[in-house]
Amino acid sequence: ETGVTQTPRHLVMGMTNKKSLKCEQHLGHNAMYWYKQSAKKPLELMFVYNFKEQTENNSVPSRFSPECPNSSHLFLHLHTLQPEDSALYLCASSQDLAGGQGYEQYFGPGTRLTVT
Amino acid sequence: GNSVTQMEGPVTLSEEAFLTINCTYTATGYPSLFWYVQYPGEGLQLLLKATKADDKGSNKGFEATYRKETTSFHLEKGSVQVSDSAVYFCALSDQGGNQFYFGTGTSLTVIP
Repeated sequence: ETGVTQTPRHLVMGMTNKKSLKCEQHLGHNAMYWYKQSAKKPLELMFVYNFKEQTENNSVPSRFSPECPNSSHLFLHLHTLQPEDSALYLCASSQDLAGGQGYEQYFGPGTRLTVT
Repeated sequence: GNSVTQMEGPVTLSEEAFLTINCTYTATGYPSLFWYVQYPGEGLQLLLKATKADDKGSNKGFEATYRKETTSFHLEKGSVQVSDSAVYFCALSDQGGNQFYFGTGTSLTVIP
């Protein structure tokens, strides 16, 4: 596998379910990100990790819980979601954090989440 | 604060037409600038980037020049193809920060 992979690609869950999204990067990068992409809205940054440490949490509700066990893997644990949480969830990685070095982000294909 | 503003879509062009998608930014310091493309059902892919003023990024016939005096990074292509149909995102990363800032995306449809 190369690049950034995400599983599952599609997920349908009820509001009382608990599920997890998985992201893996095979690029040797140190920083990983979760984004939410909703129709007709800008890309929303959710969480940023650098060397496994969380550096940003953009006021994300606690029903979203990230986990980064190592620099290659990132999880998003989901519980008691709302229908408005239905969206495409994108994982990305970069060599290091954004600041000033021109490092680009590499994105996975996303998980299309539907909350019923 | 940092932000990116790009032209509203959708944009519909005939094949071989000239493309411009406008992007302006607000940033402190000297950001790096990017254009990403998203094809249906996929994640975002880097199209091109520029890391300092007057740099020109180019890839697959697309070009954009980092203009500090006008705080702009407009995307251009001389002759679009049907396969260029996608959503295009302008983005910046701020010097000393740890985030990327994305525009809202511009949907492009190229018709034969």
